[in-house]
Amino acid sequence: AQTVTQSQPEMSVQEAETVTLSCTYDTSESNYYLFWYKQPPSRQMILVIRQEAYKQQNATENRFSVNFQKAAKSFSLKISDSQLGDTAMYFCAFMKRGGANSKLTFGKGITLSVRP
Amino acid sequence: NAGVMQNPRHLVRRRGQEARLRCSPMKGHSHVYWYRQLPEEGLKFMVYLQKENIIDESGMPKERFSAEFPKEGPSILRIQQVVRGDSAAYFCASSPDTGERGYTFGSGTRLTVV
Repeated sequence: AQTVTQSQPEMSVQEAETVTLSCTYDTSESNYYLFWYKQPPSRQMILVIRQEAYKQQNATENRFSVNFQKAAKSFSLKISDSQLGDTAMYFCAFMKRGGANSKLTFGKGITLSVRP
Repeated sequence: NAGVMQNPRHLVRRRGQEARLRCSPMKGHSHVYWYRQLPEEGLKFMVYLQKENIIDESGMPKERFSAEFPKEGPSILRIQQVVRGDSAAYFCASSPDTGERGYTFGSGTRLTVV
């Protein structure tokens, strides 16, 4: 079974600054995907970024990038130029690759507050 | 494209009643997933369905919970004889294939059992 750990319950960042959210995971699988999802107060889960474990290159999506360290089983999210709209809960998630294994295993999440 | 539609948004049930939660996937999506979120927790997988088939129900409680995704109409998550511990937010997601590119989630149904 897979586990995902987000050890920081809350973080705060000044608008326009950079913040990094941590995530570690444990698995015996070699092929998998990692995701970061954002949950704003509206409650809807929004996909922020996705990483394929077999790719060494870190994924980037505009102001969002990841630092994927496969050997260390670490998958942190960096948000650059933070905006007020980034205020939300952020969840790290794991998915095994292949076949019918389409379920996501989520961490407990981290609450990010962006200060004006 | 209306996205993944869940209704109702809020549902209040008394202990012992039945709760029916509906999910209409995005147009063109034939894979549906249900997750439950307890307060201060991440989402927990419940069940994965394709049209008329349950693919993985390893996260579903063995009793009182059932799910379906008929050929026509929305996916339904049904909870019989609800108890206070069933109070949670229930999220539905859909994908066009196996979901490895990430799903699209709905806004959830918040179930409160009184």
